[in-house]
Amino acid sequence: GAGVSQSPSNKVTEKGKDVELRCDPISGHTALYWYRQRLGQGLEFLIYFQGNSAPDKSGLPSDRFSAERTGESVSTLTIQRTQQEDSAVYLCASSLVGTSGEIEQFFGPGTRLTVL
Amino acid sequence: GDSVTQMEGPVTLSEEAFLTINCTYTATGYPSLFWYVQYPGEGLQLLLKATKADDKGSNKGFEATYRKETTSFHLEKGSVQVSDSAVYFCALRGGSQGNLIFGKGTKLSVKP
Repeated sequence: GAGVSQSPSNKVTEKGKDVELRCDPISGHTALYWYRQRLGQGLEFLIYFQGNSAPDKSGLPSDRFSAERTGESVSTLTIQRTQQEDSAVYLCASSLVGTSGEIEQFFGPGTRLTVL
Repeated sequence: GDSVTQMEGPVTLSEEAFLTINCTYTATGYPSLFWYVQYPGEGLQLLLKATKADDKGSNKGFEATYRKETTSFHLEKGSVQVSDSAVYFCALRGGSQGNLIFGKGTKLSVKP
């Protein structure tokens, strides 16, 4: 596909369960971001991957959150022992990084997570 | 740390009305500034951007000027349409590579 894709589009889970969210970036994009959008709030940065560098995890809200990326392709965001406050739309974005810095970030449609 | 503050919505306008959505920022250095738009049922899309002071970003009739002296990047459109109904997010990026910092978003509803 031409754009960033995310799956699932919707996820309903029970409190205490683990969930895994997937992001497929645009082919060739070396940078990948995860953001969280809680109801009525702006987007919060979670984690950033750039090529083979160590990820920037400074936005992860707790150690229940983790993410992996295989090379410059798919990324998964895992939330362990989910809590109701984890309910949000989780957005993934990817971008090219050129010699003068980052070019536009392209966003996926998001995964709406509901923790009951 | 860096932050973005934008006017709270919702904003409701009649078609052909003038639109202003205020956005101010706090940042060290000279960030790049962005407006993103989220149409109903769709993902975030870049609307326009400006990378240095006095730059004007424009797209689809929308404009915003990077004002360093007032640390602002207000979004304007002279005549809104029903199809402009969406949520608008102001954002900044502090370095050439790095995450975006977003405002809370402003929901715009345009009535025919």
